[in-house]
Amino acid sequence: DAGVIQSPRHEVTEMGQEVTLRCKPISGHNSLFWYRQTMMRGLELLIYFNNNVPIDDSGMPEDRFSAKMPNASFSTLKIQPSEPRDSAVYFCASSLARRAEAFFGQGTRLTVV
Amino acid sequence: GENVEQHPSTLSVQEGDSAVIKCTYSDSASNYFPWYKQELGKGPQLIIDIRSNVGEKKDQRIAVTLNKTAKHFSLHITETQPEDSAVYFCAASIANAGGTSYGKLTFGQGTILTVHP
Repeated sequence: DAGVIQSPRHEVTEMGQEVTLRCKPISGHNSLFWYRQTMMRGLELLIYFNNNVPIDDSGMPEDRFSAKMPNASFSTLKIQPSEPRDSAVYFCASSLARRAEAFFGQGTRLTVV
Repeated sequence: GENVEQHPSTLSVQEGDSAVIKCTYSDSASNYFPWYKQELGKGPQLIIDIRSNVGEKKDQRIAVTLNKTAKHFSLHITETQPEDSAVYFCAASIANAGGTSYGKLTFGQGTILTVHP
């Protein structure tokens, strides 16, 4: 299996622009997580899905952030409008709900200027 | 919610020495404790995990111990090698009552491990 695939790997955008991050989980996994990593706050969970349904979005910082999972093999995290403080590495992870092990993608490094 | 504290923030050892990283958690309901290794420019990689019904687990040079009473768990790396140099994260999560979903991981702040040749 190719593992969790995220795109793009790097994204540079101007403040106020819309940004969409994409994730393809490991085939067969039914839980999907979006994390954000910064020096100040470490790794923090933004939102997670079970069977394509959002279960906990309490970590989503503001209404500017939204996430969707239209099917079992694809998820997006959208920021609109983006701000410089959104600059971070965003990770997607997936797991089998009955098994605790979560596998991470390579991440998307977002820079908002 | 769950809070995970990790120490030390940096650790420097000589090749061949042992390294120990410690974490404490706050929610006694947490029952799954994984450790992740993150190399520069990569995502965290699961290296070992332990569940609350087990006190210790080993995998070659890596071991993890869990003390549920004290709510702390530790990572032990023996015979360290330069390729062990990375950032290590501990985490904790809770399985639901039916054990069908482990939900979200709460991570520690990370430990930068440097192994000098």
